[in-house]
Amino acid sequence: DTAVSQTPKYLVTQMGNDKSIKCEQNLGHDTMYWYKQDSKKFLKIMFSYNNKELIINETVPNRFSPKSPDKAHLNLHINSLELGDSAVYFCASSRVDTEAFFGQGTRLTVV
Amino acid sequence: DAKTTQPPSMDCAEGRAANLPCNHSTISGNEYVYWYRQIHSQGPQYIIHGLKNNETNEMASLIITEDRKSSTLILPHATLRDTAVYYCIVRVYNTGNQFYFGTGTSLTVIP
Repeated sequence: DTAVSQTPKYLVTQMGNDKSIKCEQNLGHDTMYWYKQDSKKFLKIMFSYNNKELIINETVPNRFSPKSPDKAHLNLHINSLELGDSAVYFCASSRVDTEAFFGQGTRLTVV
Repeated sequence: DAKTTQPPSMDCAEGRAANLPCNHSTISGNEYVYWYRQIHSQGPQYIIHGLKNNETNEMASLIITEDRKSSTLILPHATLRDTAVYYCIVRVYNTGNQFYFGTGTSLTVIP
């Protein structure tokens, strides 16, 4: 059973479109995260949620809107996609006092 | 803000020990040292973590200096599959706190 699963794995879309990436964890963790890894391979935190509440928003444009319907899910919706949004997006989860488990990533390409 | 410094790249001969250093000179008393690795563009994989004492698990050993300002990850018998980017992270346990990734060390295991 996959601990942290993201869908889709690949996403190719045109500029200006709206898209969503889904994330689910079956580990019973109460904290979930979204990270962005750009072409330079730098992993940058975007959001952190604890028990469905937003804890951290690291100056991400408001075109990015995370949604946490329950503790096991943290979806990422992106409006008006731009070329610069092309990256690999990773979802992760953890407890307060444990390591984080990461999904396999969603490679987003905006054309 | 990563708060850690690592060499950008290292080589290691297959079968030898790989010693990956990390400086975290501004670490505070309640911050843990975590190590992750990322193979190609897969999701980061947890390796080991510690607070003060040296730690060992089936993957690696973690040596933390007495002043806690630096640490070393040791892969005792490196294999080709250990070729990856290794990240050293400091993290305090509180609600929603994230894992800040720096630039990491790209380890190449040479046959």
